[in-house]
Amino acid sequence: ETGVTQTPRHLVMGMTNKKSLKCEQHLGHNAMYWYKQSAKKPLELMFVYSLEERVENNSVPSRFSPECPNSSHLFLHLHTLQPEDSALYLCASSQDRDPYNEQFFGPGTRLTVL
Amino acid sequence: RKEVEQDPGPFNVPEGATVAFNCTYSNSASQSFFWYRQDCRKEPKLLMSVYSSGNEDGRFTAQLNRASQYISLLIRDSKLSDSATYLCVVKPYNNNNDMRFGAGTRLTVKP
Repeated sequence: ETGVTQTPRHLVMGMTNKKSLKCEQHLGHNAMYWYKQSAKKPLELMFVYSLEERVENNSVPSRFSPECPNSSHLFLHLHTLQPEDSALYLCASSQDRDPYNEQFFGPGTRLTVL
Repeated sequence: RKEVEQDPGPFNVPEGATVAFNCTYSNSASQSFFWYRQDCRKEPKLLMSVYSSGNEDGRFTAQLNRASQYISLLIRDSKLSDSATYLCVVKPYNNNNDMRFGAGTRLTVKP
């Protein structure tokens, strides 16, 4: 595997379900990100992990819970979501502290909350 | 005012045309600037970074105007494969990993 991978690619869940999104990067990067992309809206940065420590949490509701067990893996745990949480969830990675660091994105998980 | 603002388009141009996109940003202290490309139902990918002196990569030219707080992307000799959404991205600070994305400008190049 190369680059950034995400599973599952598609997820349909009810409001009472608990699920997790997984991201893995094979680029040797030390920073990982979760973004939310809704139709016709800019990508919204949700969480940033640098060197496995969370460094940013942009007022994301607590029903989204990130986990970064090591520099290659990132999870987003979901529980009691709302229909407005339906979106494309993108994971990205980069090399920390480089001002022109390119972020490499995974293919995303398209989430539908019923 | 939005942090990063782009004309959503769509821009519909014939093959071979020259097309330009502009993007404005609100934070005058922003340090780094990029154009990303996102194909339909795909992830964003870096197209090019934007440097203060302007830079060119083949048919693509990026310009930065710090005084007016805008970035531009010029595509010459458009190809069908250029059809995509172009995302303007601004990094407010150099000492963290925060990136602010515009909503994107959609381009369709037609035969």
